[in-house]
Amino acid sequence: EAGVAQSPRYKIIEKRQSVAFWCNPISGHATLYWYQQILGQGPKLLIQFQNNGVVDDSQLPKDRFSAERLKGVDSTLKIQPAKLEDSAVYLCASSLDDPGPYNEQFFGPGTRLTVL
Amino acid sequence: AQTVTQSQPEMSVQEAETVTLSCTYDTSESDYYLFWYKQPPSRQMILVIRQEAYKQQNATENRFSVNFQKAAKSFSLKISDSQLGDAAMYFCAYRKNSGGSNYKLTFGKGTLLTVNP
Repeated sequence: EAGVAQSPRYKIIEKRQSVAFWCNPISGHATLYWYQQILGQGPKLLIQFQNNGVVDDSQLPKDRFSAERLKGVDSTLKIQPAKLEDSAVYLCASSLDDPGPYNEQFFGPGTRLTVL
Repeated sequence: AQTVTQSQPEMSVQEAETVTLSCTYDTSESDYYLFWYKQPPSRQMILVIRQEAYKQQNATENRFSVNFQKAAKSFSLKISDSQLGDAAMYFCAYRKNSGGSNYKLTFGKGTLLTVNP
Protein backbone atom coordinates (compact mmCIF):
# COMPACT_ATOMS: atom_id res chain seq x y z
CA GLU A 1 0.00 0.00 0.00
CA ALA A 2 1.43 3.36 -1.01
CA GLY A 3 1.83 5.91 1.76
CA VAL A 4 1.00 9.60 1.89
CA ALA A 5 2.91 11.47 -0.80
CA GLN A 6 4.04 15.06 -0.50
CA SER A 7 5.95 17.42 -2.76
CA PRO A 8 8.24 19.19 -2.82
CA ARG A 9 10.44 17.85 0.00
CA TYR A 10 12.26 21.16 0.36
CA LYS A 11 11.47 24.73 -0.62
CA ILE A 12 13.37 27.96 -0.08
CA ILE A 13 11.68 31.29 -0.81
CA GLU A 14 12.04 34.91 0.11
CA LYS A 15 9.55 36.65 2.36
CA ARG A 16 6.48 38.02 0.61
CA GLN A 17 6.71 35.35 -2.08
CA SER A 18 4.05 32.69 -2.48
CA VAL A 19 4.45 28.92 -2.21
CA ALA A 20 2.27 25.85 -2.63
CA PHE A 21 2.55 22.34 -1.25
CA TRP A 22 0.87 19.24 -2.61
CA CYS A 23 -0.38 16.12 -0.83
CA ASN A 24 -1.77 12.84 -2.12
CA PRO A 25 -3.35 10.77 0.67
CA ILE A 26 -3.61 7.02 0.97
CA SER A 27 -6.24 5.68 -1.39
CA GLY A 28 -9.64 5.45 0.27
CA HIS A 29 -8.85 7.79 3.14
CA ALA A 30 -11.68 10.30 3.48
CA THR A 31 -9.91 12.50 6.01
CA LEU A 32 -6.87 14.66 5.24
CA TYR A 33 -4.90 16.87 7.60
CA TRP A 34 -2.26 19.58 7.24
CA TYR A 35 0.02 20.13 10.25
CA GLN A 36 2.68 22.80 10.74
CA GLN A 37 5.77 21.76 12.69
CA ILE A 38 8.04 24.64 13.72
CA LEU A 39 11.57 23.66 14.74
CA GLY A 40 11.66 22.46 18.34
CA GLN A 41 7.89 22.04 18.60
CA GLY A 42 5.32 19.37 17.99
CA PRO A 43 3.05 19.47 14.94
CA LYS A 44 0.07 21.82 15.10
CA LEU A 45 -3.09 21.17 13.06
CA LEU A 46 -3.76 23.81 10.44
CA ILE A 47 -6.75 22.27 8.70
CA GLN A 48 -8.70 19.01 8.54
CA PHE A 49 -10.76 17.96 5.51
CA GLN A 50 -13.49 15.34 5.43
CA ASN A 51 -13.79 14.48 1.75
CA ASN A 52 -14.21 17.95 0.16
CA GLY A 53 -15.44 19.72 3.29
CA VAL A 54 -13.50 21.49 6.04
CA VAL A 55 -13.95 20.05 9.54
CA ASP A 56 -11.51 22.26 11.46
CA ASP A 57 -9.52 25.27 10.24
CA SER A 58 -9.51 27.17 13.50
CA GLN A 59 -5.71 27.49 13.59
CA LEU A 60 -5.21 28.34 9.92
CA PRO A 61 -4.00 31.95 9.44
CA LYS A 62 -6.60 32.69 6.83
CA ASP A 63 -5.15 36.06 5.84
CA ARG A 64 -2.23 34.28 4.19
CA PHE A 65 -2.87 30.54 4.20
CA SER A 66 -5.38 28.72 2.03
CA ALA A 67 -6.04 25.06 1.37
CA GLU A 68 -8.26 23.07 -0.91
CA ARG A 69 -9.02 19.44 -1.53
CA LEU A 70 -10.25 18.87 -5.03
CA LYS A 71 -12.64 15.97 -5.58
CA GLY A 72 -11.93 14.71 -2.08
CA VAL A 73 -8.51 13.31 -2.99
CA ASP A 74 -5.39 15.47 -3.49
CA SER A 75 -4.89 18.64 -1.51
CA THR A 76 -2.83 21.80 -1.86
CA LEU A 77 -1.78 24.21 0.85
CA LYS A 78 -0.78 27.72 -0.22
CA ILE A 79 0.94 30.55 1.59
CA GLN A 80 0.70 34.05 0.11
CA PRO A 81 2.59 36.14 1.08
CA ALA A 82 5.07 34.17 3.17
CA LYS A 83 6.57 35.54 6.38
CA LEU A 84 9.79 34.56 8.14
CA GLU A 85 7.78 32.82 10.89
CA ASP A 86 6.26 30.46 8.32
CA SER A 87 9.58 28.57 8.17
CA ALA A 88 8.59 25.08 9.29
CA VAL A 89 7.94 21.53 8.16
CA TYR A 90 4.47 21.08 6.70
CA LEU A 91 3.14 17.58 7.30
CA CYS A 92 0.20 16.04 5.51
CA ALA A 93 -1.62 13.08 7.04
CA SER A 94 -4.63 10.99 6.09
CA SER A 95 -6.97 8.58 7.82
CA LEU A 96 -10.26 6.80 7.49
CA ASP A 97 -13.42 8.53 8.67
CA ASP A 98 -13.67 6.80 12.05
CA PRO A 99 -13.80 8.47 15.50
CA GLY A 100 -12.41 5.42 17.30
CA PRO A 101 -8.88 5.12 18.71
CA TYR A 102 -7.80 2.67 16.05
CA ASN A 103 -8.30 5.24 13.31
CA GLU A 104 -4.63 5.87 12.71
CA GLN A 105 -3.35 9.02 11.05
CA PHE A 106 -0.67 8.17 8.49
CA PHE A 107 1.84 10.92 7.87
CA GLY A 108 3.77 11.89 4.79
CA PRO A 109 7.47 12.83 4.81
CA GLY A 110 6.70 16.55 5.01
CA THR A 111 7.89 19.64 3.15
CA ARG A 112 10.58 21.71 4.80
CA LEU A 113 9.98 25.41 4.03
CA THR A 114 12.65 28.03 4.62
CA VAL A 115 11.63 31.68 4.28
CA LEU A 116 14.57 34.09 3.91
CA ALA B 1 -8.07 23.88 25.59
CA GLN B 2 -6.09 20.69 25.84
CA THR B 3 -2.34 20.88 26.40
CA VAL B 4 0.37 18.22 26.31
CA THR B 5 3.66 18.70 28.15
CA GLN B 6 6.88 16.75 27.66
CA SER B 7 9.35 17.96 30.27
CA GLN B 8 12.40 16.11 28.93
CA PRO B 9 13.80 17.79 25.81
CA GLU B 10 16.49 15.10 25.50
CA MET B 11 17.13 11.64 26.90
CA SER B 12 19.83 9.08 26.27
CA VAL B 13 20.02 5.34 26.91
CA GLN B 14 22.55 2.58 26.42
CA GLU B 15 21.71 -0.08 23.88
CA ALA B 16 19.75 -2.96 25.48
CA GLU B 17 18.81 -0.83 28.50
CA THR B 18 15.39 0.57 29.43
CA VAL B 19 14.32 4.19 29.22
CA THR B 20 11.14 6.02 30.23
CA LEU B 21 9.86 9.15 28.52
CA SER B 22 7.45 11.38 30.44
CA CYS B 23 4.28 13.11 29.32
CA THR B 24 1.57 14.98 31.18
CA TYR B 25 -1.58 16.49 29.73
CA ASP B 26 -4.40 18.75 30.75
CA THR B 27 -8.01 18.23 29.74
CA SER B 28 -11.48 18.59 31.15
CA GLU B 29 -12.72 15.70 29.03
CA SER B 30 -13.27 12.22 30.42
CA ASP B 31 -13.16 10.32 27.13
CA TYR B 32 -10.07 10.68 25.01
CA TYR B 33 -7.15 8.85 23.47
CA LEU B 34 -3.43 9.19 24.01
CA PHE B 35 -0.65 8.30 21.61
CA TRP B 36 3.11 8.14 21.33
CA TYR B 37 4.58 8.91 17.92
CA LYS B 38 8.16 8.45 16.74
CA GLN B 39 9.75 10.85 14.26
CA PRO B 40 13.14 9.75 12.87
CA PRO B 41 15.36 12.14 10.90
CA SER B 42 13.37 11.23 7.76
CA ARG B 43 10.57 13.31 9.39
CA GLN B 44 7.88 10.67 8.83
CA MET B 45 5.75 10.35 11.98
CA ILE B 46 5.12 6.76 12.97
CA LEU B 47 2.57 5.62 15.54
CA VAL B 48 4.23 3.67 18.36
CA ILE B 49 1.40 2.96 20.79
CA ARG B 50 -2.10 4.14 21.71
CA GLN B 51 -4.15 4.19 24.93
CA GLU B 52 -7.87 4.61 25.41
CA ALA B 53 -8.65 6.71 28.49
CA TYR B 54 -11.54 4.51 29.60
CA LYS B 55 -9.30 1.43 29.71
CA GLN B 56 -7.42 0.95 32.96
CA GLN B 57 -5.03 -1.61 31.50
CA ASN B 58 -1.82 -0.13 30.21
CA ALA B 59 -1.16 -0.68 26.51
CA THR B 60 1.85 -2.68 25.33
CA GLU B 61 3.35 -3.20 21.88
CA ASN B 62 6.34 -5.54 21.93
CA ARG B 63 9.19 -3.59 23.60
CA PHE B 64 7.03 -0.50 24.11
CA SER B 65 4.64 -0.04 27.04
CA VAL B 66 2.92 2.85 28.73
CA ASN B 67 2.15 3.82 32.30
CA PHE B 68 -1.20 5.59 32.14
CA GLN B 69 -2.27 7.39 35.31
CA LYS B 70 -5.61 9.02 34.51
CA ALA B 71 -6.07 10.84 37.81
CA ALA B 72 -2.59 12.32 37.59
CA LYS B 73 -3.00 12.97 33.84
CA SER B 74 0.27 11.24 33.19
CA PHE B 75 1.19 9.04 30.22
CA SER B 76 4.78 7.80 30.14
CA LEU B 77 6.41 5.56 27.54
CA LYS B 78 8.81 2.78 28.50
CA ILE B 79 11.15 1.36 25.90
CA SER B 80 12.74 -1.93 26.93
CA ASP B 81 15.84 -3.49 25.37
CA SER B 82 16.60 -0.25 23.51
CA GLN B 83 17.93 -0.61 19.98
CA LEU B 84 19.90 1.79 17.81
CA GLY B 85 16.86 2.10 15.55
CA ASP B 86 14.86 3.55 18.45
CA ALA B 87 16.84 6.79 18.23
CA ALA B 88 14.37 9.49 17.18
CA MET B 89 12.19 12.33 18.40
CA TYR B 90 9.22 11.02 20.38
CA PHE B 91 5.98 12.94 20.62
CA CYS B 92 3.13 12.44 23.04
CA ALA B 93 -0.27 13.29 21.55
CA TYR B 94 -3.87 13.67 22.71
CA ARG B 95 -7.15 13.32 20.82
CA LYS B 96 -10.53 14.09 22.26
CA ASN B 97 -13.25 11.53 21.58
CA SER B 98 -15.75 14.09 20.37
CA GLY B 99 -17.94 11.49 18.73
CA GLY B 100 -17.92 13.68 15.63
CA SER B 101 -15.49 14.03 12.77
CA ASN B 102 -12.86 16.23 14.41
CA TYR B 103 -9.85 13.96 14.88
CA LYS B 104 -7.33 16.70 15.70
CA LEU B 105 -4.16 15.52 17.47
CA THR B 106 -2.59 17.85 20.03
CA PHE B 107 1.13 17.18 20.36
CA GLY B 108 3.76 17.90 23.00
CA LYS B 109 7.09 19.47 22.09
CA GLY B 110 8.85 16.14 21.89
CA THR B 111 11.75 14.31 23.51
CA LEU B 112 14.89 13.56 21.51
CA LEU B 113 16.07 10.04 22.35
CA THR B 114 19.68 9.06 21.72
CA VAL B 115 20.71 5.39 21.90
CA ASN B 116 24.37 4.81 22.66
CA PRO B 117 26.05 1.61 21.41
